Amino acid sequence: DTGVSQNPRHKITKRGQNVTFRCDPISEHNRLYWYRQTLGQGPEFLTYFQNEAQLEKSRLLSDRFSAERPKGSFSTLEIQRTEQGDSAMYLCASSPVNRGNTEAFFGQGTRLTVV
Amino acid sequence: GDSVTQMEGPVTLSEEAFLTINCTYTATGYPSLFWYVQYPGEGLQLLLKATKADDKGSNKGFEATYRKETTSFHLEKGSVQVSDSAVYFCALGMDSSYKLIFGSGTRLLVRP
Repeated sequence: DTGVSQNPRHKITKRGQNVTFRCDPISEHNRLYWYRQTLGQGPEFLTYFQNEAQLEKSRLLSDRFSAERPKGSFSTLEIQRTEQGDSAMYLCASSPVNRGNTEAFFGQGTRLTVV
Repeated sequence: GDSVTQMEGPVTLSEEAFLTINCTYTATGYPSLFWYVQYPGEGLQLLLKATKADDKGSNKGFEATYRKETTSFHLEKGSVQVSDSAVYFCALGMDSSYKLIFGSGTRLLVRP
């Protein structure tokens, strides 16, 4: 068990460009979550998958954001036409299906800087 | 809506001092409560949890008791160490929704 893995760890992009982040959850964890954390704030929920189904999306997830989890394994989060306000740490977490959110394990995050 | 409020930091203590970080919550229903810790350059780690009223979560010398009457889940440690320096997040989770709702975090700095 290698934990939740996120790539890249850091991403600097120009405003207007598209970016994609990847999350590899702990193997056999059915649930996968994306959160966003801005400086000095706690993480804010973005979206949640159970296997390959995206079951909940936050209002924070604008039309420029899309998340996928093909085959119920790794997940990707894409941001199109990035804006400076998208600069944040993007956190991924996973949990086994029989423990709900009480056992969410977080990755180290991808820090996005939009210049 | 559901929310979590934490005391603002930073909290600066000398080694071996007593620590309290206040956390209160607002929720419809009966949430589970958590404390997560984030060390510099690392992801969030679950520190402790409590799933029902009067439960006490504990780990690594830290404790927190789920107080329904005061809607609180204060984090305490009797004797802090330099290695406890980190940001601490209080969070709640509802069974009806799998997301976690976090407070804004409290930075703890422990000086030798």
